[in-house]
Amino acid sequence: QQPVQSPQAVILREGEDAVINCSSSKALYSVHWYRQKHGEAPVFLMILLKGGEQKGHEKISASFNEKKQQSSLYLTASQLSYSGTYFCGPTPLSNTGKLIFGQGTTLQVKP
Amino acid sequence: DTAVSQTPKYLVTQMGNDKSIKCEQNLGHDTMYWYKQDSKKFLKIMFSYNNKELIINETVPNRFSPKSPDKAHLNLHINSLELGDSAVYFCASSQDLTVREQFFGPGTRLTVL
Repeated sequence: QQPVQSPQAVILREGEDAVINCSSSKALYSVHWYRQKHGEAPVFLMILLKGGEQKGHEKISASFNEKKQQSSLYLTASQLSYSGTYFCGPTPLSNTGKLIFGQGTTLQVKP
Repeated sequence: DTAVSQTPKYLVTQMGNDKSIKCEQNLGHDTMYWYKQDSKKFLKIMFSYNNKELIINETVPNRFSPKSPDKAHLNLHINSLELGDSAVYFCASSQDLTVREQFFGPGTRLTVL
């Protein structure tokens, strides 16, 4: 039931790009993305809704393929501040608030 | 101003003890949540409340009992603590039950010895 994220970890140099994928075995209504820095709370990045609507971060983009039950987070021209663990949280229903988080992808951006 | 606050930040206790974690949000949200994050960073929902009503109760042992005295507060009481309860517990809130961003509190690191 837990969505699968790939890769599990990635190391980048500043300015490089990365893609994090999230795949679910269930039909999805929306996908949330959060970033958690070490020792801190998860912070909201983006919500992608069935039908194509997106809400969230201006410098990070994402896609949501409803048919394939997949979402991808695109980090372009990465900055040191992008380092952290990224979690996707699909929701199968629209009215429960329930997020089932993936196992996380750890991103490290080096100077 | 802190949007979602939790107390205490750290909790170290012996097996078998009972402890509580408190959570408050000043965002005017209707929905609050408890999550458990284990040592492998797996973040799992435990409970959610909407306007003081229990909505989600995942397969959590009965030793865990949430209480929501009003919609701004959601506390978590844990009885007979076990080693496996050691984790970081996050409280979160969202405006309502629809698809909304969730605001997380700073977390409470619980260590059971």
